[in-house]
Amino acid sequence: QVHLQESGPGLVKPSGTLSLTCAVSGGSISSTNWWSWVRQPPGRGLEWIGEISHTGNTNYNPSLKSRVTISMDKSKNQLSLNVTSVTAADTAVYYCAREIIGATAAYWGQGTLVTVSS
Amino acid sequence: QSALTQPASVSGSPGQSITISCAGTSSDVGNYNRVSWYQQHPGKAPKLMIYGVDNRPSGISSRFSGSKSGNTASLTISGLQAEDEADYYCCSYAGGFWVFGGGTKLTVL
Repeated sequence: QVHLQESGPGLVKPSGTLSLTCAVSGGSISSTNWWSWVRQPPGRGLEWIGEISHTGNTNYNPSLKSRVTISMDKSKNQLSLNVTSVTAADTAVYYCAREIIGATAAYWGQGTLVTVSS
Repeated sequence: QSALTQPASVSGSPGQSITISCAGTSSDVGNYNRVSWYQQHPGKAPKLMIYGVDNRPSGISSRFSGSKSGNTASLTISGLQAEDEADYYCCSYAGGFWVFGGGTKLTVL
């Protein structure tokens, strides 16, 4: 069973860069899967951020595309998410997940809260 | 892109059946059989309940079923139980990206 664990700073200053990693165990990110990031502002709904394939191809939410980069480190079996020029609107719980055919997120990490504040 | 449209809330009594709708467009729900449904309890990560419109992952009760007609997908929960009280989100592939619904709060009376 694949296990995902997000980590990173819980507090980021406005206009700064939010950087998170997602450690994957129980499966290789080099296998035939896509991996996604999803976020959820406090008290609000889910928002899809983007995805990366096992070969490194990426797709992003059109509304976030200019500020988001998703990458992978196969040697560490982990994913990374960078969001630049953050504002308070980027405050959210950030989840990483593994996709299956027909669903962007079949297996989820526990999520990590990132607050954007000075 | 716009979020898929779900009712803000639905409710039902134990043992009853409820259906949650998820309205999209011909660019997402209507064009791809990649609709999924997620259940989220407070403070917890979402859990996949339905994928590929009408498929249940291993371990998910047969009380949960999914369907699609045109640009609208639906999640039906039969034999409502207290533990079903949660937020539910639909999600659809939209050609190069995925889009979620706004979420529906299910209350079991």
